[in-house]
Amino acid sequence: KAGVTQTPRYLIKTRGQQVTLSCSPISGHRSVSWYQQTPGQGLQFLFEYFSETQRNKGNFPGRFSGRQFSNSRSEMNVSTLELGDSALYLCASSDSNPGANVLTFGAGSRLTVL
Amino acid sequence: AQSVTQLGSHVSVSEGALVLLRCNYSSSVPPYLFWYVQYPNQGLQLLLKYTSAATLVKGINGFEAEFKKSETSVHLTKPSAHMSDAAEYFCAALRRNQAGTALIFGKGTTLSVSS
Repeated sequence: KAGVTQTPRYLIKTRGQQVTLSCSPISGHRSVSWYQQTPGQGLQFLFEYFSETQRNKGNFPGRFSGRQFSNSRSEMNVSTLELGDSALYLCASSDSNPGANVLTFGAGSRLTVL
Repeated sequence: AQSVTQLGSHVSVSEGALVLLRCNYSSSVPPYLFWYVQYPNQGLQLLLKYTSAATLVKGINGFEAEFKKSETSVHLTKPSAHMSDAAEYFCAALRRNQAGTALIFGKGTTLSVSS
């Protein structure tokens, strides 16, 4: 089985721009979650999608948004970029069975905001 | 609120020595607990998961974790460190409520292994 695929792996943006990151989950996985990793704050939960619906959201401003498509692929968008948005954005997928609860992570998209 | 605390942001060991990475969680109910490893420029790889079925859980790469409810701890150990174990290790608890699920991570511990 192919793993979780995130694109792009690296990108550089300037303040005020917006960015869209993409995540393709493991085949058959219907739940996709996003996390932000920074040296200062560590790993923080952004949001979780299941069957095209956001069912959980972390404590991030409205500039951070996401969506999930019918094939379970997900995108997250950050608008009006700030320097502090520079981070590694990790996507994870799971099959959402109650007994599973295991998240498999992608390699991440490293965003640098100048 | 549920939280996870990893004791020691940096641990250094010699090759062949015991590895001990400490993690404590705060929760009235033992949650699902996980250890992940992150190598440079990579994502998180699952080392092991604890789901209350046993107190000692074996993971990949020779790692294991012992869950101690009385201490609310799930420390990660490996009897003999290899150079390839140098990485950052994260302890996490699964928060599950009506809104969905999310992993609560500790701040991470960087493991250095010297020859």
